[in-house]
Amino acid sequence: NAGVTQTPKFQVLKTGQSMTLQCAQDMNHNSMYWYRQDPGMGLRLIYYSASEGTTDKGEVPNGYNVSRLNKREFSLRLESAAPSQTSVYFCASSESGGAGTEAFFGQGTRLTVV
Amino acid sequence: DQQVKQNSPSLSVQEGRISILNCDYTNSMFDYFLWYKKYPAEGPTFLISISSIKDKNEDGRFTVFLNKSAKHLSLHIVPSQPGDSAVYFCAAGRTYKYIFGTGTRLKVLA
Repeated sequence: NAGVTQTPKFQVLKTGQSMTLQCAQDMNHNSMYWYRQDPGMGLRLIYYSASEGTTDKGEVPNGYNVSRLNKREFSLRLESAAPSQTSVYFCASSESGGAGTEAFFGQGTRLTVV
Repeated sequence: DQQVKQNSPSLSVQEGRISILNCDYTNSMFDYFLWYKKYPAEGPTFLISISSIKDKNEDGRFTVFLNKSAKHLSLHIVPSQPGDSAVYFCAAGRTYKYIFGTGTRLKVLA
């Protein structure tokens, strides 16, 4: 029972390079999320997808794009990486976005932009 | 501006005693509050939640208290166990968009 799977787990990019972080969930959840965690900042929502076919901006969407490929998969793309995007990225999913619905998180992707 | 604050970066407690983790928020429109626990190199895991229409929710050793007038919530862990040592995040919000606090690192001493 995998839950939420993120790939890769670690990545080093040069400034200006692009990459896509992959996320897949096997719980048949409707809603999916991308967060970033920085020291002293907690987790901040980048984008979310309330249901298949929809995406919306969170607190810190600038510099990112997302694709809800199907119900299982939600990818995060950095078109031109910047050092400010060095962070740990977490994907999460929930049955719905309804009030109080718990989210299940992946193990995270540690991204360093040099 | 931080809408959700956890003012204590760290807390140490003896095994068997009570751990109290605190969280303050500024937005009175938040209608649900959640607590997550995070171990190193893992994603956060859900612990317990509370609706804004309640003032207490209990689940085993974990109890969350909400004081709406003070815009304050707390997580009580009784009794504390060494396996509870982790970073605890509170989160507040409405549908989909939850604001997380910066976390409190709890260390339970054996």
